[in-house]
Amino acid sequence: EAQVTQNPRYLITVTGKKLTVTCSQNMNHEYMSWYRQDPGLGLRQIYYSMNVEVTDKGDVPEGYKVSRKEKRNFPLILESPSPNQTSLYFCASSPLAGGPGMDTQYFGPGTRLTVL
Amino acid sequence: TQLLEQSPQFLSIQEGENLTVYCNSSSVFSSLQWYRQEPGEGPVLLVTVVTGGEVKKLKRLTFQFGDARKDSSLHITAAQTGDTGLYLCAGGENSGYALNFGKGTSLLVTP
Repeated sequence: EAQVTQNPRYLITVTGKKLTVTCSQNMNHEYMSWYRQDPGLGLRQIYYSMNVEVTDKGDVPEGYKVSRKEKRNFPLILESPSPNQTSLYFCASSPLAGGPGMDTQYFGPGTRLTVL
Repeated sequence: TQLLEQSPQFLSIQEGENLTVYCNSSSVFSSLQWYRQEPGEGPVLLVTVVTGGEVKKLKRLTFQFGDARKDSSLHITAAQTGDTGLYLCAGGENSGYALNFGKGTSLLVTP
């Protein structure tokens, strides 16, 4: 089954404790991205990647890191989480055929992160 | 960042009613997409509109892309409770590979 998987689905952590949220897709997509979703602020892009070793900042990259060493995986790293990073996070992937506004974005199920 | 403004932010209607939600920007987009998101799940693509003035129909849903490619609308005819969800519009940056989403319209359809 074609899908985007994220782990963990739920995470409660404390300020400053490094964490990684994994994202994997099995559709051989070039484009992958991370979003955070907050009430009243909508879905905001954190980072995106056009291919292996090619990443770029989205609208809200501060406090996050990403890497794309393999085509299928795109982990999101919070080196020193803070309470303002409490949010619902989505990973997504798409083929880079017509561009991100043309191609279907396939979203993962989301990771709900709480930073105390 | 090319901003997308959606209206209304919230909409509560009864089954059988018609509704329209809007997605507006001061920027020109090469294409716009509409996604629907149900609670606890990721957004799912409904449609992509590419040509100015384009109208696409998906059963009871009608999508329109403005002639100037700065705005789009989603019209639902005879809403059903299954239409409840968050409707998001999205557009790709004209230069680069970022994807911008509007804040969404939260629709509640009651029996």
